[in-house]
Amino acid sequence: GENVEQHPSTLSVQEGDSAVIKCTYSDSASNYFPWYKQELGKRPQLIIDIRSNVGEKKDQRIAVTLNKTAKHFSLHITETQPEDSAVYFCAASIDTGFQKLVFGTGTRLLVSP
Amino acid sequence: GAVVSQHPSWVICKSGTSVKIECRSLDFQATTMFWYRQFPKQSLMLMATSNEGSKATYEQGVEKDKFLINHASLTLSTLTVTSAHPEDSSFYICSAIGAGLAGVEQYFGPGTRLTVT
Repeated sequence: GENVEQHPSTLSVQEGDSAVIKCTYSDSASNYFPWYKQELGKRPQLIIDIRSNVGEKKDQRIAVTLNKTAKHFSLHITETQPEDSAVYFCAASIDTGFQKLVFGTGTRLLVSP
Repeated sequence: GAVVSQHPSWVICKSGTSVKIECRSLDFQATTMFWYRQFPKQSLMLMATSNEGSKATYEQGVEKDKFLINHASLTLSTLTVTSAHPEDSSFYICSAIGAGLAGVEQYFGPGTRLTVT
């Protein structure tokens, strides 16, 4: 089955810096890659997603890149703000059937003012 | 749109008792619902996938007789933790995929924190 690895486990940056979180997946059939932000005790919130027919997607300060050949994808947050502090999860899925998501292990991002 | 609710938001029960958690899609019909468990500082682990009117599909290592899932309608799925023990204490989150909704996005419920004493 699919296995998703995520690095780093923790990431501390200064406000205004960029943050990059990387994930690798094992199943070449996976073609849907969402990123979630989860604050303590809250539900995961989808912040951006990408499909395998696209190499990069951007939404304001957030971007995701995908390298299908290498089976890795990354989340880029620019001009970080303290409210970006949360746990971020990547996930992988196959875009058919029951769309089961396999989550990465999570990255705790801390943005210091 | 695409709101998923869970009830209760938190529950404390004694060891050996059973607890039922409800997951509802409020403004769409959910063809498929998923149940996850999340231990502190860990990732979401899929427990089972349920489709309306059929038996749930459990992930490897999840005891189907302990975690009973019923997806009786297109807007409601329930998870019953039977004979709960302290090690079952966790954050349980459901998600749903909607019939007719664009894309494959899963809509997550707010989660239920279960504490077994």
